[in-house]
Parts: sequence; structure tokens; C-alpha cells
Amino acid sequence: DAGVTQSPTHLIKTRGQHVTLRCSPISGHKSVSWYQQVLGQGPQFIFQYYEKEERGRGNFPDRFSARQFPNYSSELNVNALLLGDSALYLCASSTVRGIPYEQYFGPGTRLTVT
Amino acid sequence: RKEVEQDPGPFNVPEGATVAFNCTYSNSASQSFFWYRQDCRKEPKLLMSVYSSGNEDGRFTAQLNRASQYISLLIRDSKLSDSATYLCVLLRNSGNTPLVFGKGTRLSVIA
Repeated sequence: DAGVTQSPTHLIKTRGQHVTLRCSPISGHKSVSWYQQVLGQGPQFIFQYYEKEERGRGNFPDRFSARQFPNYSSELNVNALLLGDSALYLCASSTVRGIPYEQYFGPGTRLTVT
Repeated sequence: RKEVEQDPGPFNVPEGATVAFNCTYSNSASQSFFWYRQDCRKEPKLLMSVYSSGNEDGRFTAQLNRASQYISLLIRDSKLSDSATYLCVLLRNSGNTPLVFGKGTRLSVIA
């Protein structure tokens, strides 16, 4: 079975630009979460979507937005990019069933803002 | 105080050694705990879920101490391939953040 897939794998943007990152969850998983991982830190939660609705939001500015599609894939959008947005952006999927629920990560998109 | 704290290391150990990592958490309402492994420039991968009674998977043992609010990971007979960063993760009982990650503990197993 395919795992979580993300595209693109790498991206270079300049300050002020906009970026869209994409994620496809594991087949059968209905929940997608997005995380930002800056070098030397653990992943920080950005958004969670379940059944196409936002179920959680981390402490990120409104420049960050996301959505989930009927096939449970998801997009993360970041507007007005700043140098500090340079990071590995990780998508994780889960079934959100049972306790605890376990999240499985995609390979990430490495974003560099210059 | 950070919600999840880990010693960043690095822990440099010889092959075959036993190594243990501790992780402390501040929110006593946290319900579920995990250890993830992350290789350099790769995504985190679930290593173990940590249950109230602790659990073992081959050379890896995870334990939870709710009274002292810490979890531990023990690796026996270390292999070169165990070299990675180990992330302590908790699932909050409430709030809108599904998983809270520590900064990770870096392990290097040396031949």
C-alpha cells in the first residue's frame, strides 16, 4: 500500500511569494494534519482536517491556510512568504479511530525562502 | 516550562550498548504518548506507542510514569542503524493540537 505522498519534494521561493503544498493520505485515512519542522526543532502543528472540515489549528498566522478535498487529499497554502517560513513541511494522515490514534508522515516538502 | 522536554544529546554509544532516553511532560491531562524516530532529512516514523503499563518491541522498551510525568525509551544491543533522532510525542486530552513533539534526542551508535 502506498504511504502518504507529498508534492513537490523541494521548492525555492522568494519573499512575498505564495506557495501551495499538496498531500495525499494513506488509502482509507480520512484525517490529514500539517506540521512545520524548522531545523533542530520538533514538528510544530499547523492544521488538522477531518472529513473536509478544519478540526484544529496551531499557533500560525493567517498567512497559512489549508483545505481538504472530497478524496481526502489536502493542500497547504502560505501567502506573503517570509524567510522564517523556510522549513520542512510535513503532512500526516490517520484514521482517527481508537485511542490512541497514530499518525503516519509523508516525506515532506522542503521549502526554502530566499 | 515547555510541554514536552527532551535532552537533545547527542548520545554517542558503542555498538551493543544499552541506552535510555527520558522525556518529561508538563500537562498531566495528556493521555497518549509515542516515540517517533527521524533520520537525517527524513520524515518522522512511528517507533512505538507507549501505553500505561509500558510495552516492549524487540530491543526497544517504552515505559510511562504518570506520577512523575515522564516516559522513557530503552534500546538494548544498539546497532549502527539505530543512529537517528528520537522524538517524544504526546497526544493532548483536549485542545486543538493533535500531537505535541519534543525537540528530539540525537543518538549516534559508533562501531
